Amino acid sequence: GENVEQHPSTLSVQEGDSAVIKCTYSDSASNYFPWYKQELGKGPQLIIDIRSNVGEKKDQRIAVTLNKTAKHFSLHITETQPEDSAVYFCAATNNAGNMLTFGGGTRLMVKP
Amino acid sequence: DADVTQTPRNRITKTGKRIMLECSQTKGHDRMYWYRQDPGLGLRLIYYSFDVKDINKGEISDGYSVSRQAQAKFSLSLESAIPNQTALYFCATSPSSGPYNEQFFGPGTRLTVL
Repeated sequence: GENVEQHPSTLSVQEGDSAVIKCTYSDSASNYFPWYKQELGKGPQLIIDIRSNVGEKKDQRIAVTLNKTAKHFSLHITETQPEDSAVYFCAATNNAGNMLTFGGGTRLMVKP
Repeated sequence: DADVTQTPRNRITKTGKRIMLECSQTKGHDRMYWYRQDPGLGLRLIYYSFDVKDINKGEISDGYSVSRQAQAKFSLSLESAIPNQTALYFCATSPSSGPYNEQFFGPGTRLTVL
């Protein structure tokens, strides 16, 4: 089955700096890669996603890149703000779309 | 997300007890999921259901069972709880139109098995 690895497990940045979280996946059939943000005491919430026919997608301060050949994808947050502090999860799934496989999560801390 | 509710929010129980976690949704979604979250392991799928008559095992279904009582309700049971089932449990829903759909998560249930 699919295996998704996520790095780093914790990341501390200064407010205004950029943050990058990286994930690798094992199943070459995977073609949908969402990112979820989990704030303290809440369930995860989708923040951005990318499909395999696209190499990059951007939404304001967040962007995701995908390299299908290398089987890795990354989340980029620019101009970080304290409210970006949360746990971020990457995930992957295939055409069936019925089972998301999640990475282990990254705890991002943005210091004011 | 208030559209997906989970009860109870916190539960402490003893080894061997039967426990039921409940999930309700008002989003009108057909698909419902149960996940378990452990530190460093992300979210792992326990069971999922694509409609009322459909139940499927996920990655870690051993020791768990589910019931889909209605489109809006999906319950997770631990028949005989054990300490390594201590975790944060999430219910999620998604629409059934197309393969790539956002999953909407409930607020979670923190379960402690002593």
